[in-house]
Amino acid sequence: AQKVTQAQTEISVVEKEDVTLDCVYETRDTTYYLFWYKQPPSGELVFLIRRNSFDEQNEISGRYSWNFQKSTSSFNFTITASQVVDSAVYFCALSGAGGFKTIFGAGTRLFVKA
Amino acid sequence: GAGVSQSPSNKVTEKGKDVELRCDPISGHTALYWYRQSLGQGLEFLIYFQGNSAPDKSGLPSDRFSAERTGGSVSTLTIQRTQQEDSAVYLCASSPPLGLAGGNTGELFFGEGSRLTVL
Repeated sequence: AQKVTQAQTEISVVEKEDVTLDCVYETRDTTYYLFWYKQPPSGELVFLIRRNSFDEQNEISGRYSWNFQKSTSSFNFTITASQVVDSAVYFCALSGAGGFKTIFGAGTRLFVKA
Repeated sequence: GAGVSQSPSNKVTEKGKDVELRCDPISGHTALYWYRQSLGQGLEFLIYFQGNSAPDKSGLPSDRFSAERTGGSVSTLTIQRTQQEDSAVYLCASSPPLGLAGGNTGELFFGEGSRLTVL
């Protein structure tokens, strides 16, 4: 069975702080995809990143970076120098090869205070 | 429009009534998903369509829930004899194909959702 765990329910930081959102997954598939999505207060979910299971190279995109470690089944997301606009719920997700049946974690609500 | 379109955006109904929620995916996207999001909660997988294959219905919570996808495009989620616990935002997402090998990229494009309130 597949499972995604986001143990942090809510995180509150002050603007310009760095923050890491944790994601731990379980799957029996040898090939799978991991994702992060952002759901701002307006409600519409937005795709942030997709990572293939065979590519453990970390990725950086502006203030965002992702750390994928197969050994610990984790796919953590770090926001550097957080901004108020980063306030949202962030979801980690997992799907099997070919993108079938994507399941989501419970989400982490991030509050960034000015 | 270019995005996933869902209707109605809001639906208030009385307990016991049937409701239909519609999703119009992005043109060319072969995969279509329905999720349910209760207030302040995560996304609960309901059903997944991939091309002409039989849908994965493993997430449907009861036999009151059903969904179909006509012509590989528009999908309708039907909830019969609605209950108060069905109140939630129902999200539809579509995903582009993964080339000739089949399947999809897994990148989901979400609609704005249909908020269902059962009184």
